[in-house]
Amino acid sequence: AQSVTQLDSHVSVSEGTPVLLRCNYSSSYSPSLFWYVQHPNKGLQLLLKYTSAATLVKGINGFEAEFKKSETSFHLTKPSAHMSDAAEYFCVVTLYSSASKIIFGSGTRLSIRP
Amino acid sequence: EAGVAQSPRYKIIEKRQSVAFWCNPISGHATLYWYQQILGQGPKLLIQFQNNGVVDDSQLPKDRFSAERLKGVDSTLKIQPAKLEDSAVYLCASSSVLSGNTIYFGEGSWLTVV
Repeated sequence: AQSVTQLDSHVSVSEGTPVLLRCNYSSSYSPSLFWYVQHPNKGLQLLLKYTSAATLVKGINGFEAEFKKSETSFHLTKPSAHMSDAAEYFCVVTLYSSASKIIFGSGTRLSIRP
Repeated sequence: EAGVAQSPRYKIIEKRQSVAFWCNPISGHATLYWYQQILGQGPKLLIQFQNNGVVDDSQLPKDRFSAERLKGVDSTLKIQPAKLEDSAVYLCASSSVLSGNTIYFGEGSWLTVV
């Protein structure tokens, strides 16, 4: 069975410091993994995706994530947080068979302190 | 390319009234999803279409919710009669094998039931 766990419901960092949002997954098959960001009153925007190519994936706005199969993790990082990064972040795992199945994590709210 | 279009963006109705939301997916995307996102929670899949066929509607409250995608392109989600707990954002998304099965979301339709 597939599942995805976002380990922190809320992360708060100071502007200019690194960001780490943690995501662990469980899948019987090779999954595709995504991170989405949702700013207040907005839809979900794709940050980055992993689809069995390079394990280190670079996304928009300076974010990147590393797929670690041995740890079943896909943590999202950014070297230096900006105030505009304050948002909700969702880790998503998909399994593609005859009908794609999408599993959302519960989300991590990122707050940035000035 | 144009993104996923949704309308209306905002709707306020009284309980027991009806409401309909419209979605136009990205051109050529065979898979269309409707999600419900209650404030503070992650998106919950209501229904998934593959072309004009339903793939998954297991979490759709069929006594009051209905959705159709008659020509395999745009889709309509209807709620009748609405309840207070239906207040949420209704997100439409689409994907395609040709675009790597990445899921693209619209801005959402915000429903308030009073």
